[in-house]
Amino acid sequence: DGGITQSPKYLFRKEGQNVTLSCEQNLNHDAMYWYRQDPGQGLRLIYYSQIVNDFQKGDIAEGYSVSREKKESFPLTVTSAQKNPTAFYLCASSPGTETDTQYFGPGTRLTVL
Amino acid sequence: LAKTTQPISMDSYEGQEVNITCSHNNIATNDYITWYQQFPSQGPRFIIQGYKTKVTNEVASLFIPADRKSSTLSLPRVSLSDTAVYYCLVVVTTSGTYKYIFGTGTRLKVLA
Repeated sequence: DGGITQSPKYLFRKEGQNVTLSCEQNLNHDAMYWYRQDPGQGLRLIYYSQIVNDFQKGDIAEGYSVSREKKESFPLTVTSAQKNPTAFYLCASSPGTETDTQYFGPGTRLTVL
Repeated sequence: LAKTTQPISMDSYEGQEVNITCSHNNIATNDYITWYQQFPSQGPRFIIQGYKTKVTNEVASLFIPADRKSSTLSLPRVSLSDTAVYYCLVVVTTSGTYKYIFGTGTRLKVLA
């Protein structure tokens, strides 16, 4: 069964702690993305990666970090430097970039207490 | 810099055609426009994509006028299950880098 998985569905953390969100895809896609969605708002790009061992900042990269050591995995770390981390985080992948359709995972809802 | 604007919400009745417009100024000739559907607490789902004139698939049509300053998603004969938020996405290419610009979304409510 091919697709994108994100875990966990819900995540709670104390303020000041770093937390890593998992994103795995078995679609053999080259490109992967992380978006943040706040209530009643659209998606904003945090980071994207076109190829293994390479990634670029999106519009709101401050306070976040990523790695792309394997083609199928693109974990996102929300650091303590992120001022307002509570949000719904969405991971996506596409065969390449630009014109390719992005396929989204189910999302992780992070709540920082 | 490209920016996308959508109506905040729309209501429709079952069986009607719904048209949702996304305004996107300053996009280049080859920049693509994509539409997604999102249900609460789920990831967006692809609906349709195009960059000029008209594209049609089994669930929707996408109309893009010649000036490309807007695009319209057309959903024929909506049903209650089409109640969702609809987003347009514009991918802008600048000097080999990409900007992925989502609209703020249109909340469609389909009434019986």
